[in-house]
Amino acid sequence: NAGVMQNPRHLVRRRGQEARLRCSPMKGHSHVYWYRQLPEEGLKFMVYLQKENIIDESGMPKERFSAEFPKEGPSILRIQQVVRGDSAAYFCASSPPVQGRDYGYTFGSGTRLTVV
Amino acid sequence: GNSVTQMEGPVTLSEEAFLTINCTYTATGYPSLFWYVQYPGEGLQLLLKATKADDKGSNKGFEATYRKETTSFHLEKGSVQVSDSAVYFCALSTGGFKTIFGAGTRLFVKA
Repeated sequence: NAGVMQNPRHLVRRRGQEARLRCSPMKGHSHVYWYRQLPEEGLKFMVYLQKENIIDESGMPKERFSAEFPKEGPSILRIQQVVRGDSAAYFCASSPPVQGRDYGYTFGSGTRLTVV
Repeated sequence: GNSVTQMEGPVTLSEEAFLTINCTYTATGYPSLFWYVQYPGEGLQLLLKATKADDKGSNKGFEATYRKETTSFHLEKGSVQVSDSAVYFCALSTGGFKTIFGAGTRLFVKA
């Protein structure tokens, strides 16, 4: 039973390019969450999605960042026109389709984005 | 709003020492509380949880008790090992699914 799969593990982009991060939730999980972790800092919530719906995007920057979780396929976090400040580890987590507050999350291993 | 405050690290201990990492929270309603652990280069792993007041979560020798009167969820272990060196995150979740994490506390255990 595979866990949460994120790819790529490492991504290097030049300033101005697009970064596309993928996340396949754990089997049976329909809720996906994206978090960003800056070096030596905690996790900052970005967005919470269910299939074909963005439920809470209160942590997403208003520009350049977008997320989707289509009916088929992985969840995608897209960062357009990347800047050096976007360099961070991006973690995806998933939870089952019940009240997630009692279950906790299953995390992927993260994508480490470096903008050069 | 909801928030989690953890003691600042790093915490450096010798092997077999007693560990306490303090965590307090602010939340509306009755949150569930969690401790996660992150090893270098990896994602977070759920370590333990408690879903109501006075519950004790435990796993791998770690324990934490949900104290509603002091809004705390301190992590303890009686005898740490070198392999416990990691970053520990306290977190809370309310009915809206979103989980709020503390800033993390780095633990170094020396042999």
